Amino acid sequence: GAVVSQHPSWVICKSGTSVKIECRSLDFQATTMFWYRQFPKQSLMLMATSNEGSKATYEQGVEKDKFLINHASLTLSTLTVTSAHPEDSSFYICSARDRGGMNTEAFFGQGTRLTVV
Amino acid sequence: AQSVTQLGSHVSVSEGALVLLRCNYSSSVPPYLFWYVQYPNQGLQLLLKYTTGATLVKGINGFEAEFKKSETSFHLTKPSAHMSDAAEYFCAVSDGNQGGKLIFGQGTELSVKP
Repeated sequence: GAVVSQHPSWVICKSGTSVKIECRSLDFQATTMFWYRQFPKQSLMLMATSNEGSKATYEQGVEKDKFLINHASLTLSTLTVTSAHPEDSSFYICSARDRGGMNTEAFFGQGTRLTVV
Repeated sequence: AQSVTQLGSHVSVSEGALVLLRCNYSSSVPPYLFWYVQYPNQGLQLLLKYTTGATLVKGINGFEAEFKKSETSFHLTKPSAHMSDAAEYFCAVSDGNQGGKLIFGQGTELSVKP
C-alpha cells in the first residue's frame, strides 16, 4: 500500500514557540491531504483539508491563524502550530488521498505527539 | 450532515470468541464506509471499506463488515479473536461530495482476554 510519512513522530516544545509538522506521501501524488487532531482516548477530529496550490479549508472552530497549513507540492503538506500552549498538546495525524479519485483509500501517517510545556 | 455512532466505547472478548463492533451512520447521500484500526501512538490502518457493490466486505486480518442500508449500519465482525486484535477501532464515513474527508465515530477499544 501507499506510504504517508509524518515527521517528527514526537516533539516537546516550550510554551510560546512554534512547531512544524510535515506530512509526505512517499510513493504517490496527493492533491488533497487532511489534518486531524486526537485527544487521549478520543476520536479523530478533522481540523482542515489541505489542497495543493491553494488555501486550506478549515473546519468550524479551528483557528486558521494558529494552525497554519501549507501544501506546496503534491507530496508535502505542513502544519505549523504557532505560539503553542499546553492546551495544544495532542496527537496530530495527517492523511492523504491518491489523486485517483474520491472513493479511494485515505492513507494515514503515523502521527505526531506534541507536548507543550 | 454526516455522522457516525459506535455503540460501546469498550468491548472485551475472550481469545477465540466472536468479535462484534457496532457502527451506525447517518448520511443524506450514498455513503462510503470505512473501518480503521489504531494501535497505541500510531496512525490508522485501513481494515476494510465499502463503496459500492457487494454489501459484505472482507478485510485484512480476518475482519469483515456488512453494509445494511435499511439499518444504516456497518458492523465489524471477526469469527475468532486473537490477542493481537486488541486495539482501538474507528468507523468512518465519507461523502465524496464533500471532497472525501472522513467523519469518524468515537472509537471502540477492543480488549482480548487470554
